[in-house]
Amino acid sequence: EAGVTQFPSHSVIEKGQTVTLRCDPISGHDNLYWYRRVMGKEIKFLLHFVKESKQDESGMPNNRFLAERTGGTYSTLKVQPAELEDSGVYFCASSQDSRPGELFFGEGSRLTVL
Amino acid sequence: RKEVEQDPGPFNVPEGATVAFNCTYSNSASQSFFWYRQDCRKEPKLLMSVYSSGNEDGRFTAQLNRASQYISLLIRDSKLSDSATYLCVVTRSDSWGKFQFGAGTQVVVTP
Repeated sequence: EAGVTQFPSHSVIEKGQTVTLRCDPISGHDNLYWYRRVMGKEIKFLLHFVKESKQDESGMPNNRFLAERTGGTYSTLKVQPAELEDSGVYFCASSQDSRPGELFFGEGSRLTVL
Repeated sequence: RKEVEQDPGPFNVPEGATVAFNCTYSNSASQSFFWYRQDCRKEPKLLMSVYSSGNEDGRFTAQLNRASQYISLLIRDSKLSDSATYLCVVTRSDSWGKFQFGAGTQVVVTP
């Protein structure tokens, strides 16, 4: 069974540009999460989808970040326009239960904003 | 103050030795606790859940102390493959999907 896949694995863009990250969760997992790790800091929650609905987006840093999950399958996270402080590793995770004991993480998308 | 705090280490451990480290959490409403393991430049993976009564999984033992608001992880008979960063994870009952991660404790097992 395929795990959580993320694309791209690494993206280098200039400040002001736009980047879209994609996450394909494990098939059948209704819950999809985005997390971010900025260098030297802990992994931080961004948002949580249940199917196509945003259950909790309290971790989204500002309105330059837009997450979507059309049809309740894959999700995209768009950063527009990107700033230097957006650099980090963006992890996607999925789980089957609404009260998960385990999140299955993708390998992450490393974003570098120059 | 961070919600979840960990000693970053590194803990340098000879192969075969025992290592233990703690994680403290600040929110008394925290409900569920986990240890995740993360290898360098890889994704976090669940190592074990932490139950109130404490639990063991092979060489790994996790404990929870609600009164003092900390959890612990003990690794016995350390293997070279145990070298990793161990992430303490806490969730609250009012936001199950919102995992609070510690910054991680690095363990380096040496031959």
